[in-house]
Amino acid sequence: EVQLVESGGGLVQFGRSLRLSCVASGFTFDDYAMHWVRQAPGKGLEWVSGISWNSDSIGYADSLKGRFTISRDNAKNCLYLQMNSLRREDTALYYCAKARVVLSAHDGFDIWGQGTMVTVSS
Amino acid sequence: EIVMTQSPATLSVSPGERATLSCRASQSVSSNLAWYQQKPGQSPRLLIYRASTRATGIPARFSGSGSGTEFTLTISSLQSEDFAVYYCQQYNNWWTFGQGTKVEIK
Repeated sequence: EVQLVESGGGLVQFGRSLRLSCVASGFTFDDYAMHWVRQAPGKGLEWVSGISWNSDSIGYADSLKGRFTISRDNAKNCLYLQMNSLRREDTALYYCAKARVVLSAHDGFDIWGQGTMVTVSS
Repeated sequence: EIVMTQSPATLSVSPGERATLSCRASQSVSSNLAWYQQKPGQSPRLLIYRASTRATGIPARFSGSGSGTEFTLTISSLQSEDFAVYYCQQYNNWWTFGQGTKVEIK
């Protein structure tokens, strides 16, 4: 079964850091670009960051202003999101998502995890 | 950044009726557009990619059309399980989502 399982969320104070992880199974992880998407409570979806299959291409939403870093470890089938200088507006459910097409730089997301909740308190 | 604008924000439809959802891009995204369905408490599900191709397992009552800046998702005959929020997403220039259209029971 193709599956993505996120972890690492929780309650964190304003200005602190948090690292999210996403473990993949059921597919050849290193063939696919991977992404993080977040959803604030009661709000819509926001693309956060994406990384190509070989980590050569990385992108971030403009709103993050360099505070987040995406990475992956293909040997461990794992995707990461390092989040620094957290703000109240970063409070959201963070989803890990898989690109639809093998080795494609730009495509939709066909598999999503259940998400991990990040709550930033003041 | 490409801005995606969906309309209407809420669509009230009776079961069995047709639903038409719109999505507009602030600049051309060619056919690099996807549609997702999200039900309460669930993760999004890919419905349509490349503007008009149904994803695996998606019923034929879902169809997508458009290219450039104007796109439409049509649900031909709404079933009870189709009441949800729908998002469009462009992937021509990085990735951005629309704000969503909620399809509710009339």
